[in-house]
Amino acid sequence: KAGVTQTPRYLIKTRGQQVTLSCSPISGHRSVSWYQQTPGQGLQFLFEYFSETQRNKGNFPGRFSGRQFSNSRSEMNVSTLELGDSALYLCASRGRRYETQYFGPGTRLLVL
Amino acid sequence: GIQVEQSPPDLILQEGANSTLRCNFSDSVNNLQWFHQNPWGQLINLFYIPSGTKQNGRLSATTVATERYSLLYISSSQTTDSGVYFCAVERGSGNTGKLIFGQGTTLQVKP
Repeated sequence: KAGVTQTPRYLIKTRGQQVTLSCSPISGHRSVSWYQQTPGQGLQFLFEYFSETQRNKGNFPGRFSGRQFSNSRSEMNVSTLELGDSALYLCASRGRRYETQYFGPGTRLLVL
Repeated sequence: GIQVEQSPPDLILQEGANSTLRCNFSDSVNNLQWFHQNPWGQLINLFYIPSGTKQNGRLSATTVATERYSLLYISSSQTTDSGVYFCAVERGSGNTGKLIFGQGTTLQVKP
């Protein structure tokens, strides 16, 4: 099976812009979770989607949003970008609750 | 919320040495995973191990759920083992899909 894929791999944006990141899960996986990794805060959970519904949400401002499509592909959007949003954004997919989460290669976002 | 602590934060080894990485967590969990983050940032699954012992080549892991800790053993380390190792846990219902990560152990293996 192909692994989790994320696009784009790298992005440079300026403050105030918005950005959309995409994640395609492993075939057959219906759960997609998103994480942000920064040097200061480490790896933090953003949200989880299952069958097009947000099932869980981390402690991030409303500027961070996401959605999931009927084919389980997911997107996350960050509006009004701030310098502190510069990070590695990782998504993960799984087949069943509490099973292994498999991670994609990530999207590196730099906000100038 | 649940706390996940990894030790040591940094570890330097000579090639061929063995090491033990530890992960302590403050509450019961439904899922525990160990990852190796490669230099490009991808998290590589090492073990899914909410309890018990597993082995995969030179790596093995043990989780003692009742005492809330997990150990990752690396034997005969190689330079390619260098990188950051993360432990992550997942709580029960209401927290599904949410892995809580430790701060990681940075391993450097010298030739």
